[in-house]
Amino acid sequence: AQSVAQPEDQVNVAEGNPLTVKCTYSVSGNPYLFWYVQYPNRGLQFLLKYITGDNLVKGSYGFEAEFNKSQTSFHLKKPSALVSDSALYFCAVRDATGGYQKVTFGIGTKLQVIP
Amino acid sequence: DVKVTQSSRYLVKRTGEKVFLECVQDMDHENMFWYRQDPGLGLRLIYFSYDVKMKEKGDIPEGYSVSREKKERFSLILESASTNQTSMYLCASSSGVGGSYNEQFFGPGTRLTVL
Repeated sequence: AQSVAQPEDQVNVAEGNPLTVKCTYSVSGNPYLFWYVQYPNRGLQFLLKYITGDNLVKGSYGFEAEFNKSQTSFHLKKPSALVSDSALYFCAVRDATGGYQKVTFGIGTKLQVIP
Repeated sequence: DVKVTQSSRYLVKRTGEKVFLECVQDMDHENMFWYRQDPGLGLRLIYFSYDVKMKEKGDIPEGYSVSREKKERFSLILESASTNQTSMYLCASSSGVGGSYNEQFFGPGTRLTVL
């Protein structure tokens, strides 16, 4: 079975500071990893994904994430936080093993950027 | 841009009623999904479909059924609504077949309240 853990319910960061939202995963094979963001009163939007290749993945709105196979982590990062980044962030994983596989989402981390 | 629309943003129903939630996508995606989102529980997959007339159970299918008669439309049915089905319901779609790693596109959600 596959699973995702987002160990922090909420992350607070001052505007202009770097931010990190943590994610660890568990799959039996190789992972496909995703980050999504949900702004207040809106649906989820895709931010970035890791499929294979370079461990550092760049996505929308200046976000990036680093895949670390040995630590089974895929932390979301941004060098300088904006107040508009305040939202709910979801990490997701699916096993890359062949055949149709569902995606499993984490419980979400609320990011609060303080002016 | 991919657009996923859901029939209602807010819905209030009575216990025991049969409830239909409709989802339509306009990008010819093969795969469609229904999730429910609850605080502290994240997104949980109810059902998904990878082709017309095909459906697969997700993690929490009990009390729900689905219908996919046309490629662009995926309906979620609550056979006899109960108060514990009060939740935010999110529909999503994605392209690709089988081992696809493509991201999901989400609708705005339907907030269902069962009284």
